Amino acid sequence: DAKTTQPNSMESNEEEPVHLPCNHSTISGTDYIHWYRQLPSQGPEYVIHGLTSNVNNRMASLAIAEDRKSSTLILHRATLRDAAVYYCILRDGSWGKLQFGAGTQVVVTP
Amino acid sequence: NAGVTQTPKFQVLKTGQSMTLQCAQDMNHEYMSWYRQDPGMGLRLIHYSVGAGITDQGEVPNGYNVSRSTTEDFPLRLLSAAPSQTSVYFCASSYRGSGGYTFGSGTRLTVV
Repeated sequence: DAKTTQPNSMESNEEEPVHLPCNHSTISGTDYIHWYRQLPSQGPEYVIHGLTSNVNNRMASLAIAEDRKSSTLILHRATLRDAAVYYCILRDGSWGKLQFGAGTQVVVTP
Repeated sequence: NAGVTQTPKFQVLKTGQSMTLQCAQDMNHEYMSWYRQDPGMGLRLIHYSVGAGITDQGEVPNGYNVSRSTTEDFPLRLLSAAPSQTSVYFCASSYRGSGGYTFGSGTRLTVV
């Protein structure tokens, strides 16, 4: 299964944008790029996913590099409620398994 | 619409006991998975299913059994509990294809 690489932690000020990078240099043509987040003491929560084109939803934006070997999750205005571990995961479109890495711990300071 | 429901929320077992963690979803999702999360760690895949009657192993299947007799339910059985199985267990489900998974709120299991 393809793997992803993320920074261990990132810090942001409240109401500023947060850009979370993810490298996935061994991505295959059928892999979708998924992002989930996990708030303290809760289960993971789906954030966004994409294949080739940039994607936007009410929670975040996903920017995908042209060669698909990296992507960036963008939280436009961080709030204290966005403090969580963010996971970048490749999901094969055929089988659908999710394999989690260590993720990025996002700290938001007021 | 309840989503993914896990029961129980908390459980304490003695070493050697067996038990079943329940997972049910009401979204008609084909895919279901079980994960465990140890303190300070990411989630590891235990078993998954792509439909009723079809299951397969994930990264850490030893000591666990699953079956999928209906689309809605995907129970996880611990055959003989060990302290190393102390963890938080999450069930998740998804439609077939590329979409996002919905996770349950977890079962916190302690084996003493």
